[in-house]
Amino acid sequence: DVKVTQSSRYLVKRTGEKVFLECVQDMDHENMFWYRQDPGLGLRLIYFSYDVKMKEKGDIPEGYSVSREKKERFSLILESASTNQTSMYLCASSNDRGLYFGPGTRLLVL
Amino acid sequence: AQSVTQPDIHITVSEGASLELRCNYSYGATPYLFWYVQSPGQGLQLLLKYFSGDTLVQGIKGFEAEFKRSQSSFNLRKPSVHWSDAAEYFCAVAPFSGGYNKLIFGAGTRLAVHP
Repeated sequence: DVKVTQSSRYLVKRTGEKVFLECVQDMDHENMFWYRQDPGLGLRLIYFSYDVKMKEKGDIPEGYSVSREKKERFSLILESASTNQTSMYLCASSNDRGLYFGPGTRLLVL
Repeated sequence: AQSVTQPDIHITVSEGASLELRCNYSYGATPYLFWYVQSPGQGLQLLLKYFSGDTLVQGIKGFEAEFKRSQSSFNLRKPSVHWSDAAEYFCAVAPFSGGYNKLIFGAGTRLAVHP
């Protein structure tokens, strides 16, 4: 089975902090994704990566950056967290069979 | 612009009743179509997908969906709902030539099941 894991299920951070959300997949997938999920808005793509050190902006990249130094790991970085970044963050990876999601990280920025 | 509409934000059904969740899309050509389910506190799981061929698609957990090109719809159905089906359901579309980075999600429909 494909397994996508995220380093934290819940995080509480303060405004202005630098936040790292980590994601690891164990199926050697080329593509990895970070989504943000908000009520009434569904899922919106923040960034995706199609190879190590390669990335592309999604629909809402502002305020975020990403890092992919190894194929299995894709990190989402909030350089200076703000309250409007309080949300559920979902990582995913894909092959030609489908898109596979991690359990999500619920981030609260105070 | 491409879009996905799930007209029902919340739906409540009784256990054993039939279920239909609606999904309409706006796209210039026939896209790839997906339904995902998200149980409380979990990530999303793929229920079924349509790429081409038979317009009635069977998925996991007894779900099926029918692609209707004339109505730009891809409604999800289940003949008899179980209490464990209570979850949030997302319809998604991707362009025929695109990858998952082009996937557009609907806002979701939250399903409650009464015993």
